[in-house]
Amino acid sequence: ELKVEQNPLFLSMQEGKNYTIYCNYSTTSDRLYWYRQDPGKSLESLFVLLSNGAVKQEGRLMASLDTKARLSTLHITAAVHDLSATYFCAVEANQAGTALIFGKGTTLSVSS
Amino acid sequence: KAGVTQTPRYLIKTRGQQVTLSCSPISGHRSVSWYQQTPGQGLQFLFEYFSETQRNKGNFPGRFSGRQFSNSRSEMNVSTLELGDSALYLCASARDSNFEAFFGQGTRLTVV
Repeated sequence: ELKVEQNPLFLSMQEGKNYTIYCNYSTTSDRLYWYRQDPGKSLESLFVLLSNGAVKQEGRLMASLDTKARLSTLHITAAVHDLSATYFCAVEANQAGTALIFGKGTTLSVSS
Repeated sequence: KAGVTQTPRYLIKTRGQQVTLSCSPISGHRSVSWYQQTPGQGLQFLFEYFSETQRNKGNFPGRFSGRQFSNSRSEMNVSTLELGDSALYLCASARDSNFEAFFGQGTRLTVV
């Protein structure tokens, strides 16, 4: 059974500093997603990582994937208040269909 | 381009009743998947439909069922509601396997 673990689950960040969220998964997968969720809202797609070594960047966020280590990281550069939200990583459960298994989420809070 | 539309946005039901939720995918998307989000269990995969057939199923009791119509719209039904079914139900659509899934705004179900 595929398991996805994120850590930390909560992250209190100071504006301007750098942080990293880790996402480990238990079985082979070549596709990993990162989503953002604001309170009471739906999931917003941030990154789709398709292969080993994939790196994607958008603004202050950078995601990478190491399929051999079954690890993805979401790196936050110079945190700002607008990044306060919950971030989820998700992995597809099998190749024949769209069935995402999510981590528990990491809730980020940025303070000045 | 219209996004994934879920109706209704909010529902209050009584224990023992049944409920039907609706999801209209992005035009051209044939895969529709459903997820339950609760504070305790997080985001859990319910099932996925593709071309009117259930392609994947999560670990939920038979009270949870779904279907997909020829226009790719999908409905999810929960019978004999329990208090623990209170959750945000999210629908996601994708073109097919290995394509990015986009989420709707969700239906907030409260069982009293």
